[in-house]
Amino acid sequence: GQNIDQPTEMTATEGAIVQINCTYQTSGFNGLFWYQQHAGEAPTFLSYNVLDGLEEKGRFSSFLSRSKGYSYLLLKELQMKDSASYLCAVRDSNYQLIWGAGTKLIIKP
Amino acid sequence: IAGITQAPTSQILAAGRRMTLRCTQDMRHNAMYWYRQDLGLGLRLIHYSNTAGTTGKGEVPDGYSVSRANTDDFPLTLASAVPSQTSVYFCASSPGQGATDTQYFGPGTRLTVL
Repeated sequence: GQNIDQPTEMTATEGAIVQINCTYQTSGFNGLFWYQQHAGEAPTFLSYNVLDGLEEKGRFSSFLSRSKGYSYLLLKELQMKDSASYLCAVRDSNYQLIWGAGTKLIIKP
Repeated sequence: IAGITQAPTSQILAAGRRMTLRCTQDMRHNAMYWYRQDLGLGLRLIHYSNTAGTTGKGEVPDGYSVSRANTDDFPLTLASAVPSQTSVYFCASSPGQGATDTQYFGPGTRLTVL
């Protein structure tokens, strides 16, 4: 079966750095996505990785290792508004997105 | 309209009733999707449409039907609602081409079936 694993919840301090991990086992691989979802709102796109390595976009970076079936999302200089759930999704061989359950990130002052 | 709209925002429905959730996008995207989101689970694909006039089944299609008569609209129908269909429903769209083909989501419909 297909599986995406992420930690259920993480806590970090304002101004700090946090890394959210995602491991996957899917039928084929055609890219990995990270989305942010604030409580009661829709998911919004953060990043896309299809090749191994690090993609940096401002305070957010995303890393991919296809051989290890592993990705992480790195958030720097945390702000209170970063409190949200972060969803990892993999596009499989059928070009459908398989979603993890999400990681709830709690930021403390 | 800018992006994707969904209606209603929320709904309480008696079991056995028929319900249609509406979704409209103005981005001229080819592909559209319906997901449900339940606590502790990832988004699960119900149905999708790669282009107007075509539809396909996702991971959890039972009890749901869709149609795609034109590019902009993708309604989801529950023929006879059951309590297990209580969920938050998100409609999404994507260009349907290009390497990234990012999906963009509507604001969601919170449905409670009693």
